[in-house]
Amino acid sequence: GAGVSQTPSNKVTEKGKYVELRCDPISGHTALYWYRQSLGQGPEFLIYFQGTGAADDSGLPNDRFFAVRPEGSVSTLKIQRTERGDSAVYLCASSPPPTGHPLAGGANVLTFGAGSRLTVL
Amino acid sequence: AQSVTQLDSHVSVSEGTPVLLRCNYSSSYSPSLFWYVQHPNKGLQFLLKYTSAATLVKGINGFEAEFKKSETSFHLTKPSAHMSDAAEYFCVVSAASGSARQLTFGSGTQLTVLP
Repeated sequence: GAGVSQTPSNKVTEKGKYVELRCDPISGHTALYWYRQSLGQGPEFLIYFQGTGAADDSGLPNDRFFAVRPEGSVSTLKIQRTERGDSAVYLCASSPPPTGHPLAGGANVLTFGAGSRLTVL
Repeated sequence: AQSVTQLDSHVSVSEGTPVLLRCNYSSSYSPSLFWYVQHPNKGLQFLLKYTSAATLVKGINGFEAEFKKSETSFHLTKPSAHMSDAAEYFCVVSAASGSARQLTFGSGTQLTVLP
């Protein structure tokens, strides 16, 4: 598609429930990122995929959070036993494959989706 | 370690007057620096990026930013504000390795443009 698509745009759930958030990146973008943005704050890194594998999941807050990208395109962020503190906007972004030396052009520009707003009651 | 500080949580300007959004960074490596903008109910949009080619960087919609190593600053400016510029702006720093995992966002500056 033309941009990064995230569904659902809004999700309201009860404490303790399981939630899945989906991200459809730009076609051809090999890198995919998940960020979380709480009210009044900047986005915080959660996990980064290069292709099908999670290249860096150091930002996941605990083992209730998990993400997959089985075919190297669409990704799903999964949250088990949701807590009220999980309420936030979950942002997905993608970027094209790196070109040239990693230091030559600096970090790639990310294209973000509109986000999925999760509210845990 | 890297961090970024946006010095103002809110900035208010009149339409047609200059805009200045301040950002200071801290990085152990030569950083890449970005500005992103977030309009209500829309995704973060890339504005501009500094690597090392030029200290004055021009972005979209008339915005530009100047990298000042001695001041560890990367302030965003625009000569004349438009109503459509009202949004939240994020300064972002990345370490020289280029890994997007190391993108660190500031807490944001909400820009209000008054008629």
